[in-house]
Amino acid sequence: DVKVTQSSRYLVKRTGEKVFLECVQDMDHENMFWYRQDPGLGLRLIYFSYDVKMKEKGDIPEGYSVSREKKERFSLILESASTNQTSMYLCASGLGWGGSSFDEQFFGPGTRLTVL
Amino acid sequence: AQSVAQPEDQVNVAEGNPLTVKCTYSVSGNPYLFWYVQYPNRGLQFLLKYITGDNLVKGSYGFEAEFNKSQTSFHLKKPSALVSDSALYFCAVRDSTSGTYKYIFGTGTRLKVLA
Repeated sequence: DVKVTQSSRYLVKRTGEKVFLECVQDMDHENMFWYRQDPGLGLRLIYFSYDVKMKEKGDIPEGYSVSREKKERFSLILESASTNQTSMYLCASGLGWGGSSFDEQFFGPGTRLTVL
Repeated sequence: AQSVAQPEDQVNVAEGNPLTVKCTYSVSGNPYLFWYVQYPNRGLQFLLKYITGDNLVKGSYGFEAEFNKSQTSFHLKKPSALVSDSALYFCAVRDSTSGTYKYIFGTGTRLKVLA
């Protein structure tokens, strides 16, 4: 079974702090994604990566950056946390090509971040 | 631009009755369509997908979905609902000709199955 793990289930930070959210997948997937989930807005893509050191902006990249130094790990960074970044953050991974699970995304359990 | 619409915030259905959760999409090219389910305090789980071929797709837990190109819809269905099906359901689309792995998710539909 594919496993996607996220470093924290719950996180409380203060405005202006630098925040790191870590995601690790164990299935050698090429693609990794960061979403935020807010009530009534569904999932919105922040950033995704299709290879090591490669990244592409999603729909709401402002205030965020990402890092992918190793294939299995994709980090989301909030350079200076703000209260409007309080949300549920979901990481996902997926195959980029071929195989029966092509294009499916496998999600981690999520990190609920509160910025005070 | 890609978009997905889930017109119902919530769907209520009695246990044992058929259920439908609606999804419509808009893409420039050919769509890849997905349904995911989210149980409380959990991440999303994949249910089923349409890539190509048969318009009726069968997935996990007895769910199925029908791809209708003329109506640009991909509604999720189940012949007989269970209380345990109560969850948040998301439809997603990717434009297969866009050259990117960017997925667009709908806003979600909360399904409540009443005993």
